[in-house]
Amino acid sequence: EAQVTQNPRYLITVTGKKLTVTCSQNMNHEYMSWYRQDPGLGLRQIYYSMNVEVTDKGDVPEGYKVSRKEKRNFPLILESPSPNQTSLYFCASRSLAFAYEQYFGPGTRLTVT
Amino acid sequence: GQQLNQSPQSMFIQEGEDVSMNCTSSSIFNTWLWYKQDPGEGPVLLIALYKAGELTSNGRLTAQFGITRKDSFLNISASIPSDVGIYFCAGQLGTGANNLFFGTGTRLTVIP
Repeated sequence: EAQVTQNPRYLITVTGKKLTVTCSQNMNHEYMSWYRQDPGLGLRQIYYSMNVEVTDKGDVPEGYKVSRKEKRNFPLILESPSPNQTSLYFCASRSLAFAYEQYFGPGTRLTVT
Repeated sequence: GQQLNQSPQSMFIQEGEDVSMNCTSSSIFNTWLWYKQDPGEGPVLLIALYKAGELTSNGRLTAQFGITRKDSFLNISASIPSDVGIYFCAGQLGTGANNLFFGTGTRLTVIP
C-alpha cells in the first residue's frame, strides 16, 4: 500500500528538549515536504526536499531542521522546541513527474509546554 | 509562498443541504486541486482540475476551474455526516518543483 508514515503521532514535551519526528514514504518519490497546521492559518510549509541531500526552506523554517540522507526518509528536527511550535505537523511526498498527486502522512500532534 | 484566499472559513449546515466554497488568488494557476482532511487524518486529494473552465465531478462533489485561472469552486450536494472535515484548495503554479500552494481551509460541520 502506497503511504506516508509519521512517528510519533502524538508528542508532549518540554521547552528546550530536542526532538525528531520521522517521516517515511514507500512510493520512491523525489519530493518531500513538511507542513504545520494551525487554526485559521491552513497548511504552512516548513521545509522541502527535491531529492537526496537537497533541502530548502519553506515559508516558516525558523526553529526547525531537516535532513534527506535517504530518498524514503525526511525527518523533522526541533533542536530546542518552544511553546509556539505547538502544532499539528504533516509530512507529504510526491513524484516530480506528477506534481499534483501529493500524499500526506497522518499527522503528528506536538505540544510543547 | 503564494496567497490563496479560501472562503468561507467555516460552515455549519444541516444534513441534506448543499455546500459551496471557493478559492481565489492573485496568481494564475495551471492546476487547481481540492483536498479533504478528515478529523485526525492527513489531507486526501478529492478532485484535480487541469484547464480553465473545466467542471469535474466525484460523486456528490463538483469542482470548477475558473475561467480566469485565478479561482476555483467546490460544491457538495446533499451533504451527509461523513462530509465533516476541513476542505483545502491548492493551486499548482508554473513548472518549478516546489509549486503547490494551499488555501487556509474551510471547516465543514454537518448537523444530523
